[in-house]
Amino acid sequence: EIVLTQSPGTLSLSPGEGATLSCRASQSVGSNQLAWYQQKPGQAPRLVIYGTSSRATGIPDRFSGTGSGTDFSLTISRLEPEDFAVYYCQQYGSSPYTFGQGTKLEIK
Amino acid sequence: QVQLVQSGAEVKKPGASVKVSCKASGYTFTSYYMHWVRQAPGQGLEWMGVINPSGGTTSYAQKFQGRVTMTRDTSTSTVYMELRSLRSEDTAVYYCARSFGGWYVHFDFWGQGTLVTVSS
Repeated sequence: EIVLTQSPGTLSLSPGEGATLSCRASQSVGSNQLAWYQQKPGQAPRLVIYGTSSRATGIPDRFSGTGSGTDFSLTISRLEPEDFAVYYCQQYGSSPYTFGQGTKLEIK
Repeated sequence: QVQLVQSGAEVKKPGASVKVSCKASGYTFTSYYMHWVRQAPGQGLEWMGVINPSGGTTSYAQKFQGRVTMTRDTSTSTVYMELRSLRSEDTAVYYCARSFGGWYVHFDFWGQGTLVTVSS
């Protein structure tokens, strides 16, 4: 099984700043099948990025994803108040599908 | 609009079984696979398995093999997840999530979640 390790565990930033979240895989992720989900308290996860770099429907262009192989990142430029949440990366290139442990993006 | 509406919260005793439903609407039910993901309190996300609503084929995470069964009812566009031999560690929110047309596809829409509490 592919283990995903996210860093940092918590990121404290102010609105207007930029954020970079990291996700490292224990082995290469097939066909760059790597997604990012946003989860707010009491809510279901919401797809943000799929296929490493494609934005999901309705996701603003301040969100971007990059990476390949074992190293991936999610960048949020110019943080808005609604962006503060927990973000999970997920690989869906091989079964079992696995998630990282999450990065909490909190308001400083 | 797309909706995945899950059944309500459950409280079960250790050793019992639970069956959670996920009713889909707003899209072609058989065109999207349905996954189940759970989240223990304060913890991360854990994939449990997937069902192809078209043919009913399933694939389960090894951790849950023998204890989980996923089924579907195409007449009502509903998928079900049954987990047996419940233990306290199964206390979690259980989500259904759909993926378009295949096994290795991202999850583009999630249900609202169902809290299952296992307690004596």
